[in-house]
Amino acid sequence: NAGVTQTPKFQVLKTGQSMTLQCAQDMNHNSMYWYRQDPGMGLRLIYYSASEGTTDKGEVPNGYNVSRLNKREFSLRLESAAPSQTSVYFCASSGLVSRTPLHFGNGTRLTVT
Amino acid sequence: KQEVTQIPAALSVPEGENLVLNCSFTDSAIYNLQWFRQDPGKGLTSLLLIQSSQREQTSGRLNASLDKSSGRSTLYIAASQPGDSATYLCAVPRDDKIIFGKGTRLHILP
Repeated sequence: NAGVTQTPKFQVLKTGQSMTLQCAQDMNHNSMYWYRQDPGMGLRLIYYSASEGTTDKGEVPNGYNVSRLNKREFSLRLESAAPSQTSVYFCASSGLVSRTPLHFGNGTRLTVT
Repeated sequence: KQEVTQIPAALSVPEGENLVLNCSFTDSAIYNLQWFRQDPGKGLTSLLLIQSSQREQTSGRLNASLDKSSGRSTLYIAASQPGDSATYLCAVPRDDKIIFGKGTRLHILP
């Protein structure tokens, strides 16, 4: 089973460039999440989607946009990358938040110069 | 607002010892609590999910306990091994979101 698949694994951008991080899950999960992880800051929620067709802001949404393309896919877009967005980005999914475990992808390591 | 705290931030213990990792949360109205492991440069792997109606959950050498009334969970690792070296994180759901602690970085000394 593939679980949660993120692409790309690594990316280097120049300030002002744009890119989209892709995430897909094959577990028929309703909820999907985007987190960023920085040293000393832990995991911080950027955006989440509780179900297909809905998206909501998390703790640190500024500078990002998301699209829940269908039940399987949830993408994260940086319209104009900034050095402060250098981080490791994780996508995750779960069935019922109240009942089922959260499953993570392997992450995208993004550097903005 | 739900806050999740893990103390200590780092821990080193000799191989073979039993150890306990701590997780505390401020809002006791939780559905469940989940423990994860993260190896350097890798994603998070779910270890145990303990429902609010449970007091304990076990998997191999791992045992997680939950005390909702005191806002605490512990992860007990028996007979630690160098392969247990990793960062351990706990997380609780809040509405449609999942809130994480910052983790405890565990180093098992051979």
